[in-house]
Amino acid sequence: AQSVAQPEDQVNVAEGNPLTVKCTYSVSGNPYLFWYVQYPNRGLQFLLKYITGDNLVKGSYGFEAEFNKSQTSFHLKKPSALVSDSALYFCAVRAFDNYGQNFVFGPGTRLSVLP
Amino acid sequence: DTEVTQTPKHLVMGMTNKKSLKCEQHMGHRAMYWYKQKAKKPPELMFVYSYEKLSINESVPSRFSPECPNSSLLNLHLHALQPEDSALYLCASSQELVSEAFFGQGTRLTVV
Repeated sequence: AQSVAQPEDQVNVAEGNPLTVKCTYSVSGNPYLFWYVQYPNRGLQFLLKYITGDNLVKGSYGFEAEFNKSQTSFHLKKPSALVSDSALYFCAVRAFDNYGQNFVFGPGTRLSVLP
Repeated sequence: DTEVTQTPKHLVMGMTNKKSLKCEQHMGHRAMYWYKQKAKKPPELMFVYSYEKLSINESVPSRFSPECPNSSLLNLHLHALQPEDSALYLCASSQELVSEAFFGQGTRLTVV
């Protein structure tokens, strides 16, 4: 069965510093990996995805993620954090299971960027 | 247009009421989803429609009933809900296989 882990409940970073939000996954077959961001009382916004190709994926709002097959990781990064990046971040994997196609989400990491 | 529209944004209902949540997308996506999200938790899948064929999460109580009138519309009919059903209900859509899902803003449901 597919699963996603985000080992940190909370990440704090100072504005202007680089940020990393960690994600590891477990899938059978090729991994289709995604990052989403959620602001309070809002839906999820797609940031980026890895399907195949270059291990460094660039996405929206200056975010990027690095796929590492040997470590089964897909960490989200940004070179310089903004206060407005403070939100809840979910890593997800595309699953093909009893429900057909589905997205399995990690537990989420709350990012706080301090001014 | 990459928008998924959900109505209403907020809903308060009594335990004996019947209400419906609505979701619409015009991106030509053939997969549509209902997720339930509790505060500070990840979304949990309730139902998937793929090419208008329903797949059910068997842990979802029968007081939730989905409907897909056509490939652009998705409804969630609610009846005799419990206070613990209060949550943010998210609709999403995607193309097949490898594409990302686009989410609506959600319906904040409160059962009193």
